[in-house]
Amino acid sequence: KAGVTQTPRYLIKTRGQQVTLSCSPISGHRSVSWYQQTPGQGLQFLFEYFSETQRNKGNFPGRFSGRQFSNSRSEMNVSTLELGDSALYLCASSWDGPGGGYNEQFFGPGTRLTVL
Amino acid sequence: AQKVTQAQTEISVVEKEDVTLDCVYETRDTTYYLFWYKQPPSGELVFLIRRNSFDEQNEISGRYSWNFQKSTSSFNFTITASQVVDSAVYFCALSEAGLGKLIFGQGTTLQVKP
Repeated sequence: KAGVTQTPRYLIKTRGQQVTLSCSPISGHRSVSWYQQTPGQGLQFLFEYFSETQRNKGNFPGRFSGRQFSNSRSEMNVSTLELGDSALYLCASSWDGPGGGYNEQFFGPGTRLTVL
Repeated sequence: AQKVTQAQTEISVVEKEDVTLDCVYETRDTTYYLFWYKQPPSGELVFLIRRNSFDEQNEISGRYSWNFQKSTSSFNFTITASQVVDSAVYFCALSEAGLGKLIFGQGTTLQVKP
């Protein structure tokens, strides 16, 4: 079974631009979560989607948004990029049902975003 | 508040040594889940183990073993006879029932030298 895939793998943007990252979960997984990884802050939870609905949200500004499609694929968008948004963005999927939080999450390879 | 602490930032050992990675967690919930992930230099987080709060039984999988103690809120990870391929960053994580998010510790960088 194919793992979690993320596109693009690398991205270079300039301040003020916006960016959209894409994630395809493991087949059958309905929960998709996004995380930001930086050397200073470590791994931080952005948001989680289940059945096209945002179920949980981390402490990030409104510039960070996401959505999930009916096939469980997900996108996240960052508007008005700042230098501090440079990070590895990781997507994860799980078997979690309506309750959430029970099962392990499987991660994709990430998108490395550099903001100049 | 939920929190995961991995006090060891970096550990360096020589191949074949045993090494234990410490993890201490904080949560007010009675139902929660603990995880260990490995992040090799390639960057992809690899799932290693999941443990729920009602199951304190220790687990062994090959050279890996995990010790879960609710009394001390710890979920430690031991690698026996370490190998160079074990070199990676290891993360301990916590999730609470009903919340599909992982709270990660800061990670422990393990370097295994030949």
